[in-house]
Amino acid sequence: RKEVEQDPGPFNVPEGATVAFNCTYSNSASQSFFWYRQDCRKEPKLLMSVYSSGNEDGRFTAQLNRASQYISLLIRDSKLSDSATYLCVVKAVGGSYIPTFGRGTSLIVHP
Amino acid sequence: GAGVSQSPSNKVTEKGKDVELRCDPISGHTALYWYRQRLGQGLEFLIYFQGNSAPDKSGLPSDRFSAERTGESVSTLTIQRTQQEDSAVYLCASSSGSGLAGGPAYNEQFFGPGTRLTVL
Repeated sequence: RKEVEQDPGPFNVPEGATVAFNCTYSNSASQSFFWYRQDCRKEPKLLMSVYSSGNEDGRFTAQLNRASQYISLLIRDSKLSDSATYLCVVKAVGGSYIPTFGRGTSLIVHP
Repeated sequence: GAGVSQSPSNKVTEKGKDVELRCDPISGHTALYWYRQRLGQGLEFLIYFQGNSAPDKSGLPSDRFSAERTGESVSTLTIQRTQQEDSAVYLCASSSGSGLAGGPAYNEQFFGPGTRLTVL
C-alpha cells in the first residue's frame, strides 16, 4: 500500500459545483497534513494546512479523520480558476521528517 | 520577500554530459528538499538537508546523483553522465523547520519554479 494515496481523477465539474477529494495515508504516526495546489507546469503552492478540528478558508474546507486515516478537501462554488492538481501531503513526527506527497487529484472546472 | 529561486529555468543537454542545478532557499530556512517530477507524474523525493545535520540521501536514484549545501544557503544538485530518463522538472523547496517544533505552519514548504531538464 502506498504511503499516501489519492484518486488521480480527473474530476470534471461545472462552475458552481461542490467537489470533494479524499486522501488516505498509511502511517499512523503522521502528524502534519497539508493540501497543495499545482497548476499546469508550475510549482506546488500551499493551499491550506489541515488541523485536527478541521478548518475552513473561504470556499475551501479541510477535514482530518485520524481513525480512518484520511484527509479531505471540499471546494464549494467551484470557479474556473480552481482547475489544477491538488496534492495531499503528510508528514510524520519522529524518524524521517520528509513530507510524503500524494500523486495528486486533477480537477477541471468547466463553464 | 524573495522566494525560493532556481537556476537555470531550462537546461537541454546531451546524453552523457554532467549538469549542475542550483537552488537558493528562502533566507533563514534551515530545511531544503530536492524533488524530481516527471511529466504527468507526482513528486519524487531525492534528498533533504536540515541545518548542519547529515543529509538524507535516501531518495537519490543512483550514484550519478549528488547534492551539496553550504551551511543553510545555496544547494546544488549534480547529475553526472545524464541519461534520457533523467529528463524531468527538478524542484527545490525550503521550509523553516523539520517539524521538531511548532504547528503545521512551521512545516510549510515553499517551492522554487523548478529547472526543466531535457536530456537528448
